[in-house]
Amino acid sequence: IAGITQAPTSQILAAGRRMTLRCTQDMRHNAMYWYRQDLGLGLRLIHYSNTAGTTGKGEVPDGYSVSRANTDDFPLTLASAVPSQTSVYFCASSDGTEYNEQFFGPGTRLTVL
Amino acid sequence: GQNIDQPTEMTATEGAIVQINCTYQTSGFNGLFWYQQHAGEAPTFLSYNVLDGLEEKGRFSSFLSRSKGYSYLLLKELQMKDSASYLCAVGNSNYQLIWGAGTKLIIKP
Repeated sequence: IAGITQAPTSQILAAGRRMTLRCTQDMRHNAMYWYRQDLGLGLRLIHYSNTAGTTGKGEVPDGYSVSRANTDDFPLTLASAVPSQTSVYFCASSDGTEYNEQFFGPGTRLTVL
Repeated sequence: GQNIDQPTEMTATEGAIVQINCTYQTSGFNGLFWYQQHAGEAPTFLSYNVLDGLEEKGRFSSFLSRSKGYSYLLLKELQMKDSASYLCAVGNSNYQLIWGAGTKLIIKP
């Protein structure tokens, strides 16, 4: 593994189904983030984690949950998917200091029908 | 509130120079980032400014004025591969990045 990986690359999901997007980093970064990116709206923060064992809500957290059991993994769960959650999801990580350069995974394209 | 403003789309000619502006209002300031994002790909880091002035990195330069809440990204000797979206992001007092919606740059031959 080099950097950040995400799985799956893309997914088509029926509304009401549960889905977990996976994210793993090997840079030993403290902070991790989940964003969604929709046309014309830019990157919007869903949830974040400043360090293993802690999580926080971002700008658009409703319908999503996260966990951070260890430094490397930061899964995002949609408990009951809705069509408005159709988006491209990016996971990112940083060392969590004042210089907060974030490194991004390749993204997951999710379609909820 | 916190917001980042940048133009939605710009068009330029191969070989020319283009300037992409970004204005911001955030709670606290921990630097300003520019990222490049090609269609269908993840954003990648281009530049970082935390002090006023110009940072030059090859064909790309970035300028910051903290008193005016203003930055620009200058791209010289444009190449077709520079066609991408350019995202402005500001670090706030919570060590998070606040993102602009991005500027789609179209390069014409």
